[in-house]
Amino acid sequence: EAQVTQNPRYLITVTGKKLTVTCSQNMNHEYMSWYRQDPGLGLRQIYYSMNVEVTDKGDVPEGYKVSRKEKRNFPLILESPSPNQTSLYFCASRRQGNYGYTFGSGTRLTVV
Amino acid sequence: DQQVKQNSPSLSVQEGRISILNCDYTNSMFDYFLWYKKYPAEGPTFLISISSIKDKNEDGRFTVFLNKSAKHLSLHIVPSQPGDSAVYFCAADTEGGSEKLVFGKGTKLTVNP
Repeated sequence: EAQVTQNPRYLITVTGKKLTVTCSQNMNHEYMSWYRQDPGLGLRQIYYSMNVEVTDKGDVPEGYKVSRKEKRNFPLILESPSPNQTSLYFCASRRQGNYGYTFGSGTRLTVV
Repeated sequence: DQQVKQNSPSLSVQEGRISILNCDYTNSMFDYFLWYKKYPAEGPTFLISISSIKDKNEDGRFTVFLNKSAKHLSLHIVPSQPGDSAVYFCAADTEGGSEKLVFGKGTKLTVNP
C-alpha cells in the first residue's frame, strides 16, 4: 500500500529534550515536506526537500532541523523543544509535477 | 502575508443541499489549485484539483470552479452527505509543481442529517 508513515503518533516530552519524528514513504517520491497544523493557522510548511541531500526552509523553520540522506526518509529533528512547538505535525511526499502531496497520519507533539 | 485565504472558518449545511466552500489567493504566479479534506486524527487527503487552463473540474459530487481574474476558486459539493463533514483546505501551487505548496487555514464543514 502506497503510504507515508510517520512515528510516533503521539509524543509528550519536556522542554529541551532532543527528539526526532521519523517519516518514510514507499512511493519513490522526489519531494518531501513537513507541515505543522495549529488552530486558526492552518497548515504551515516547516521544511521541504526536493531530493536526496537537497533541503530548504519553509515558512516556519525556526527550532527545527531535517535531513534527507535516503530518498524514502525525511526525519524532523527538534534539538531543544519548547512549548511553542506543541502542535500537530504532518509529513508529506509527492512526485515532481502537478501532483498533490500524500500526507502521513500526523504526530501530535506536546512539549511541557 | 497570507497568500491563500479561506475566509469562512466554518460552514453548516443540511444533508442533500449544496455546500460551497470558497478560497481566494493573492499570488498571480499560482496556476494550479488543490482541495484537501481532513478528518480528525487523520492526515489531509487529496480531493480534487484544477489547472489554470480550465475554469471547472468535476469529479462525482465534487466540482471546483476557478475564476482567474478574481483570483477566486470554490468547491461545490452536491448533494452534501454527513460523511462530508470535515475540514477542507484549499492549496495553491505554480504550474509544473513546486516544493512550496501553500495552504489556506481551512473551513470546517458540518453536514447535518
